Amino acid sequence: QVQLKESGPGLVQPSQTLSLTCTVSGFSLTSYNVHWVRQPPGKGLEWMGVIWSGGNTDYNSALKPRLSISRDTSKSQVFLTMNSLQTEDTGIYYCNRNLGNYWGQGVMVTVSS
Amino acid sequence: DVVMTQTPVSLSVSLGGQVSISCRSSQSLVHNNGNTYLSWYLQKPGQSPQLLIYKVSNRFSGISDRFSGSGSGTDFTLKISRVEPDDLGVYYCGQGTQYPLTFGSGTKLEIK
Repeated sequence: QVQLKESGPGLVQPSQTLSLTCTVSGFSLTSYNVHWVRQPPGKGLEWMGVIWSGGNTDYNSALKPRLSISRDTSKSQVFLTMNSLQTEDTGIYYCNRNLGNYWGQGVMVTVSS
Repeated sequence: DVVMTQTPVSLSVSLGGQVSISCRSSQSLVHNNGNTYLSWYLQKPGQSPQLLIYKVSNRFSGISDRFSGSGSGTDFTLKISRVEPDDLGVYYCGQGTQYPLTFGSGTKLEIK
């Protein structure tokens, strides 16, 4: 059964670094791509980046200076790290497989002091 | 970046009715490999998005034939027939042809 689950701190202070983990099961990270998508409260979807099955990454150019995606295939985990957080980074962060029908439940991140 | 423009912003439809949602891209979504990577997602209240349609007109496994996608190049449409209560939510188009991947701003479907 394919599952993805995001985890991480719910509250981050402005200018600090966000670290999220996407733990997957039911498939191998070396066979499928994992994307990160975020959604500000009451707003639409924003693609953040992807780690390809081969390990390469691509990022939204608007976030690229602040964003890093990596993985640990032995633990079936994908990591998102984003620095210099601002209030506009508040929202729900999702990981998903291949931008298909397997999405995590999302994790709400609030940037506030 | 490819800008995806969805219209209308919201729709109100009676049960059993039919609706169409338009999605236009600022650039052609035809990939060099000949495929057109245009998908439709539905996000029900409080849930993660779910895939309805991929590559313009292919229904994802288990998706009702009441949902149909069409279009080409830069102009795409999602049609929902015989609307049911479970269809309410926000519909997004998304393109996977050019990076960064981009989504439309969403169309909220309400049931009268």
